[in-house]
Amino acid sequence: NAGVTQTPKFRILKIGQSMTLQCAQDMNHNYMYWYRQDPGMGLKLIYYSVGAGITDKGEVPNGYNVSRSTTEDFPLRLELAAPSQTSVYFCASSPNGGSSGELFFGEGSRLTVL
Amino acid sequence: GENVEQHPSTLSVQEGDSAVIKCTYSDSASNYFPWYKQELGKRPQLIIDIRSNVGEKKDQRIAVTLNKTAKHFSLHITETQPEDSAVYFCAASRGSSASKIIFGSGTRLSIRP
Repeated sequence: NAGVTQTPKFRILKIGQSMTLQCAQDMNHNYMYWYRQDPGMGLKLIYYSVGAGITDKGEVPNGYNVSRSTTEDFPLRLELAAPSQTSVYFCASSPNGGSSGELFFGEGSRLTVL
Repeated sequence: GENVEQHPSTLSVQEGDSAVIKCTYSDSASNYFPWYKQELGKRPQLIIDIRSNVGEKKDQRIAVTLNKTAKHFSLHITETQPEDSAVYFCAASRGSSASKIIFGSGTRLSIRP
């Protein structure tokens, strides 16, 4: 049981490039989330999903896109990377979502945009 | 939308003393309040949570209190130990499964030997 797996762990992008951060969970959780954590700051919600085929915007969705074609996978797409997107990205899943669900986080993906 | 404010941003206490971290939230419909601990270089992990029908919850040296009228909740750590050094995050949610879970900005707690 791997839990929540994120790839890559580290990535350097040039301004204007695009990439996809992968997130997969093997716990059969319906609820999945993407957060970003800037240095010394809290976790900001980018997008979340309550099940396959359903996604919704969080606090800071601009510059990102997501899809949820399966229960297991929730990739985050960055289009036209900007220095402001330099951050650590955490994917999380939950069995109960916002009702009382513990969030199970991945190890994080550290992205630098130069 | 929901906004969660957390104070202080940094906190240093003597080992054995107590630490208190406070959060306020803006959405009066929020009714689920978890706390997460993030050790250096690690992922956040849930340490305790509380629902709005409860005023206080305790788990060994950790307790959380909730004042729904004032829209604030606090984390209390007693008899602090070196392993309590970490960043702590509060969060709030409306409590339905489809609700967003919004985090505060974090408190870096340091325990002085």
